[in-house]
Formats: sequence, C-alpha cells, structure tokens
Amino acid sequence: KAGVTQTPRYLIKTRGQQVTLSCSPISGHRSVSWYQQTPGQGLQFLFEYFSETQRNKGNFPGRFSGRQFSNSRSEMNVSTLELGDSALYLCASIEGFSGANVLTFGAGSRLTVL
Amino acid sequence: AQKITQTQPGMFVQEKEAVTLDCTYDTSDPSYGLFWYKQPSSGEMIFLIYQGSYDQQNATEGRYSLNFQKARKSANLVISASQLGDSAMYFCAMRERSNQFYFGTGTSLTVIP
Repeated sequence: KAGVTQTPRYLIKTRGQQVTLSCSPISGHRSVSWYQQTPGQGLQFLFEYFSETQRNKGNFPGRFSGRQFSNSRSEMNVSTLELGDSALYLCASIEGFSGANVLTFGAGSRLTVL
Repeated sequence: AQKITQTQPGMFVQEKEAVTLDCTYDTSDPSYGLFWYKQPSSGEMIFLIYQGSYDQQNATEGRYSLNFQKARKSANLVISASQLGDSAMYFCAMRERSNQFYFGTGTSLTVIP
C-alpha cells in the first residue's frame, strides 16, 4: 500500500499570499487530519475530515480551511499568509478509531513565508 | 491543562545503553489510547508503539517498550540498546473517546557513539 502523500514538499510564499496543500491518504483510510508543527510548539491540531465532513477543528483562525473530496483526498488552504504561518504541515490518515488504529503521517509540506 | 506533557526537551544516551523518555497525560475518559512517534530530521512521523488504557500488560515492539503506570497517568517510552539511528524527536500522543489525538511537545534524543 502506498503511504500518505503530501504535495508540495517545500514551498516559499510571501506575506499576504495564499497557499493550498494537498494530501492523499492511504487507500481505504477515510479520515484525514492536519497538523501544524513549529519549533517548540509540538504538533497543533488543525482539523479532521471524515467522509467529506469536518468532524473536529482546532483553535486556528478562519484563514485556515480545509476540505475533503469523495476519494478521501484532502486539501488545506491558508489565506492571507503571515510570517507566523511558516511551519511544517503534516497530514495523517487513519483507517478507523478503534483499538490500536494509528495515525499514519505523510512526509509533510514545509512552508516558508517571507 | 496540557493533555500530554513531555518534560524532557533534550536527552542524551550512549550507544547501546537504554533510555527512558517521560510522558504524562491528563484525561477523564476511561477509554483512551497512548502512542509514541519518532520524527527523524526528515520530518516524517513514524509510529512506534501503542498502549490501550485497558491493556494489562506493558506494550513492547522490538527495542521499544512502554512503561504504563495508569494510576500515575504516565506512559514512558523505554528504548533499549540505543543505536545511532535512534537520534530523533520523540512524541507522545493520546487519543480520547472523541477520537481526537493530542501530542506532546516532544523530546529530542541524541545517541552518542
């Protein structure tokens, strides 16, 4: 099985621009979660989608949005970029939420905002 | 209150020695799961080990074991026979009944040859 695929891996934007990141989960995984990772902050939960519906949302401003398509692929968008949005954005998928089902992460998209 | 607390920002261990990475958690759910992930410098998070709240035995996966002390709300990761490739960030995580995952701030482990 292919793993979780995130594109692009690296990108540089300037303040005020917007960015869209893509995540393809493992085949059969219907839940996709997004996390922001910055030095010293650990992983901050952004949102989780299941069957095209947002089920959970973290404490981020409305500039951060996401969606999930019928094939479970997900995108997240950040509008009006700020310097503080520079981070590693990690996507993870999970098959189900029982027992030892684990989050499987992609390699991440590293965003730099200048 | 923090759901997951990792109090060791950085740890050093001699190659071939054992090391314990600390993790405490906070939840009122009777059913939860505890996880450890490794993040090498490449950035990808790699799942290491899982412990369910109702599991009686401590989880083990090869050189990794989870020292689960439920009353203390502690889920420490023990790595035996450390290898140079173990140098990485390690994150403790918890899943509650809501199915949301919470992560700690991580511990940076450096294995010294």
